[in-house]
This record gives sequence, structure tokens and C-alpha cells, in this order.
Amino acid sequence: AQTVTQSQPEMSVQEAETVTLSCTYDTSESDYYLFWYKQPPSRQMILVIRQEAYKQQNATENRFSVNFQKAAKSFSLKISDSQLGDAAMYFCAYRYDNTDKLIFGTGTRLQVFP
Amino acid sequence: GAVVSQHPSRVICKSGTSVKIECRSLDFQATTMFWYRQFPKQSLMLMATSNEGSKATYEQGVEKDKFLINHASLTLSTLTVTSAHPEDSSFYICSARRPLTSNQPQHFGDGTRLSIL
Repeated sequence: AQTVTQSQPEMSVQEAETVTLSCTYDTSESDYYLFWYKQPPSRQMILVIRQEAYKQQNATENRFSVNFQKAAKSFSLKISDSQLGDAAMYFCAYRYDNTDKLIFGTGTRLQVFP
Repeated sequence: GAVVSQHPSRVICKSGTSVKIECRSLDFQATTMFWYRQFPKQSLMLMATSNEGSKATYEQGVEKDKFLINHASLTLSTLTVTSAHPEDSSFYICSARRPLTSNQPQHFGDGTRLSIL
């Protein structure tokens, strides 16, 4: 069975600095998708970034980028130039290519200090 | 704007009450929708897959008689928590994906906070 592990329950960063959130996963599949979702106090699930496993190039969305290491089954999120509005719970998620089921990690609470 | 609408956003009711939560896809037809449950400070756990015109598929450990799912139209799935008890208090979130977009992510509703007194 597929599993997603986020080993950092909490992280903190100073405004304008860079922070990296870790995520590892376990799967025997070769085609799948990986996602990072942000959940602010409003509890909305907001897609931050996604990565297709068949793509070697790391995804980037403005200040957000990933380090996707397929062989190591690692999918970390880097937030550059952190802003106060980045404070939230961040969930890493896995989706097998053939289904729509999302498997979420346990989340990392990110605090941003001015 | 939102593409998946969930209603109500907050429910507070007495123990023993049945509560219905609606999930609507606003500008696309969703043959499949998903229901998640999130306890405080925990992750989202998939409860069931809602299939239009057929029975829902429940994840292991989820009581299908407790959590009734109906997906009667291509834009609406409902989750009914029957005879709710305090332990059913949680945050429930639905999601859907536009058809024929296997490489696109799911869209989530804003969630429903259910509190059973």
C-alpha cells in the first residue's frame, strides 16, 4: 500500500527567508502524481504545486519549488522569500495514475515570523 | 472562483440527529467525487468515493450505514451522517476533478465543520 510521510510536524521560518518541507512516500508504481496542498486556518485546501512522476524536471510555481527524487521517493517543498501569508498546514499528497484517490501525509505546520 | 461548492459550512446539532452535507461541482460534471474526514490537527482521510448512478465505494473501516452517500446527478453528491454522535464531530471535505483531465488535480470544497453536542 502507498504511504506518505511528513517527518516534520512543525517548522518555522523568518519572513523573506527560505524553508524546505520534507515528504517521502512509498509506492511500487512508476506512474503517479505528487502534490503539495496548503491548508490555512480557514481549512480550505489550496493546491500549491504538483509533480508528474514521469517528468524529471522539478516543478516550480513562483516562490514554490520542489525537489523530486524519484529513486529516493522524496518530494520536498521549498518556499523562497517566505511571507506571512504562507503560514499554514502543508500536506504532501500522492495519487496513483490510475485512480483519483489522494493519500495525504500527516502535515507540517509552518509558522512565519516577521 | 470556486469550482466545487460544499454546504453547509458549519453544523451544530444534537446527538441522534442525521445531518446531510452537499457537494456540488459548479461548472463541470463530476462522475466521481470524494469525501474526506479530518480530525483536529490531523490529516485528511479518504472516507469514500462517490460514483454517479451507482453505489459509493467505502474505504476500510468506514461504516457505510453510518455515512450514506448519494450521487444522484452529475453535479451533486451528498453525505448523510445518520444518527450522529459526538464522536462523529469532525471536518468533512469533498473533492471532484474535471472529467478527461487525468493530469489535473482535484478541486476541493471549503469543508463542513460538524459539531455534535
